[in-house]
Amino acid sequence: GQNIDQPTEMTATEGAIVQINCTYQTSGFNGLFWYQQHAGEAPTFLSYNVLDGLEEKGRFSSFLSRSKGYSYLLLKELQMKDSASYLCAVKSLNTGFQKLVFGTGTRLLVSP
Amino acid sequence: DTEVTQTPKHLVMGMTNKKSLKCEQHMGHRAMYWYKQKAKKPPELMFVYSYEKLSINESVPSRFSPECPNSSLLNLHLHALQPEDSALYLCASSQESVKREGKFFGPGTRLTVL
Repeated sequence: GQNIDQPTEMTATEGAIVQINCTYQTSGFNGLFWYQQHAGEAPTFLSYNVLDGLEEKGRFSSFLSRSKGYSYLLLKELQMKDSASYLCAVKSLNTGFQKLVFGTGTRLLVSP
Repeated sequence: DTEVTQTPKHLVMGMTNKKSLKCEQHMGHRAMYWYKQKAKKPPELMFVYSYEKLSINESVPSRFSPECPNSSLLNLHLHALQPEDSALYLCASSQESVKREGKFFGPGTRLTVL
């Protein structure tokens, strides 16, 4: 089966940097996604990593280490609107290329 | 057009009603999905359609019946639902043939079963 772990909740201050970690155990790993979800809204795609390394996109960066089964989402220059849940999701060949398995999500609270 | 649309936004139905949720995308994506999400939980996959054929059914009860009339549309027919089926129902689409891709979600239908 698959096991995806994320911290349940994190808090940070406006303007700061926060790193949200995700560890996973799966065979046939085929990609890791990060989504942002505001309360009551649909998830919004943030990033996709399939190779090791860091992908930067504006204030958000995502890192992947396949050998360690580890990813993180880095959010810089935090803004109040970044308060949301951040979902890590893994795609693996052994569950079919179309199936995305989500972690339980990390609720981030940004305070002034 | 780079979005997935869903209707209705909200739906309240009784346990004996029959209703349908609709989803549409015009990004040329050939895979479409239904997810169910309860409060403070991650989305759970229900169905996957690939090239308009049902490819994954995650042991979903038959009171949920998906339909894919064409490559842009995906429906979810609801009949004899239970109160515990109340949730946010999310449609998503993705382009599986490219290496770097993202699964795009619609805004969801918030369903309440009385």
